[in-house]
Amino acid sequence: RKEVEQDPGPFNVPEGATVAFNCTYSNSASQSFFWYRQDCRKEPKLLMSVYSSGNEDGRFTAQLNRASQYISLLIRDSKLSDSATYLCVVNDLTGGGNKLTFGTGTQLKVEL
Amino acid sequence: DAMVIQNPRYQVTQFGKPVTLSCSQTLNHNVMYWYQQKSSQAPKLLFHYYDKDFNNEADTPDNFQSRRPNTSFCFLDIRSPGLGDAAMYLCATSTALGYEQFFGPGTRLTVL
Repeated sequence: RKEVEQDPGPFNVPEGATVAFNCTYSNSASQSFFWYRQDCRKEPKLLMSVYSSGNEDGRFTAQLNRASQYISLLIRDSKLSDSATYLCVVNDLTGGGNKLTFGTGTQLKVEL
Repeated sequence: DAMVIQNPRYQVTQFGKPVTLSCSQTLNHNVMYWYQQKSSQAPKLLFHYYDKDFNNEADTPDNFQSRRPNTSFCFLDIRSPGLGDAAMYLCATSTALGYEQFFGPGTRLTVL
């Protein structure tokens, strides 16, 4: 089982739609969770950290379900500029280390 | 603005010809990372420095080396690039392990 799994998509949605991505992780000891956004041929950029209580930043809402080991990202009122790949990131404590493991990303295409 | 800078942005080298990629940061972060990312794949951690302590990932080929002469700079040396080393190389920083990471714009390496 992959450490971090995401549906690769693409998710093609009309402008203004609400879209949700899920991500599952395998290490129950993980403590840090993030969503990154990556545009084509650019670097990943931090979108938001994910907190246990869930958190919201404008049109973006992130939630964490520790019992089921999944993280979600909800985007409301999608804009054309939201088109990108969304990377789920989880810290990996295997072997005494503490590194971030990236999912392969979910591609979002927002269309007119 | 505090940032992570990578040079060059594009690097073309010949098969077997050594190449050095550089990264600098003005964030004064303790940890610096090097990732390799190929098309449609997740960033793959090669190694990281926590201050002067070097940590190599178990599956990073010996062909890849790194130097961190001071807090601000970190270098990635590829001693004998092969065709399979063509990729985007991303430098990232964080205040501590497991915390959010901030990426530079990447260096896209082409091997002829």
